[in-house]
Amino acid sequence: GQQVMQIPQYQHVQEGEDFTTYCNSSTTLSNIQWYKQRPGGHPVFLIQLVKSGEVKKQKRLTFQFGEAKKNSSLHITATQTTDVGTYFCAGGSGGYNKLIFGAGTRLAVHP
Amino acid sequence: GAVVSQHPSWVICKSGTSVKIECRSLDFQATTMFWYRQFPKKSLMLMATSNEGSKATYEQGVEKDKFLINHASLTLSTLTVTSAHPEDSSFYICSARMPKGGELEAFFGQGTRLTVV
Repeated sequence: GQQVMQIPQYQHVQEGEDFTTYCNSSTTLSNIQWYKQRPGGHPVFLIQLVKSGEVKKQKRLTFQFGEAKKNSSLHITATQTTDVGTYFCAGGSGGYNKLIFGAGTRLAVHP
Repeated sequence: GAVVSQHPSWVICKSGTSVKIECRSLDFQATTMFWYRQFPKKSLMLMATSNEGSKATYEQGVEKDKFLINHASLTLSTLTVTSAHPEDSSFYICSARMPKGGELEAFFGQGTRLTVV
């Protein structure tokens, strides 16, 4: 079945350093979504990428969707302590179909 | 505000009993809802897709007789963990997808932490 791999599993950074998490799907995706989950909370939608090679930015966050629509990345510039949490990518096959989540990357930011 | 409401947020039950978890879509109709299970510090594992008015679609390895799903209306899906055992203790989360801002965003319930003793 469809699998979505995500690395790294953990990342510890000093405040102000950059951070990147990568996702790779075993199949071509219709879209990929990114979520953030704070400890004890539920996943919160960040963004959806649909087009091949698409790049979207949200303030210090940059999201990319690969040309083959099988991989994606999330890059955070100059991390802040508020960025702490687990970031999940989720691959979709379109429409209201199910999302398959990556394993998540847990980000710790040391002040 | 929340668009998907899940109840209860936590529950403790005895082994052998059944527990029902409710997932409601607020202000929109959800013909499809999804049930996930999440172990501590792990990812969300899709258990099943709940379809309004028809049988749920279970992922491989998920016991449908163990995890009963009912989607009786366009705003309510329920997950019943039957004859619960300690290994069923986990964080269960439901979600529904809703068009928002040109994207099909998944909204999650608050989650239910189940502890079976």
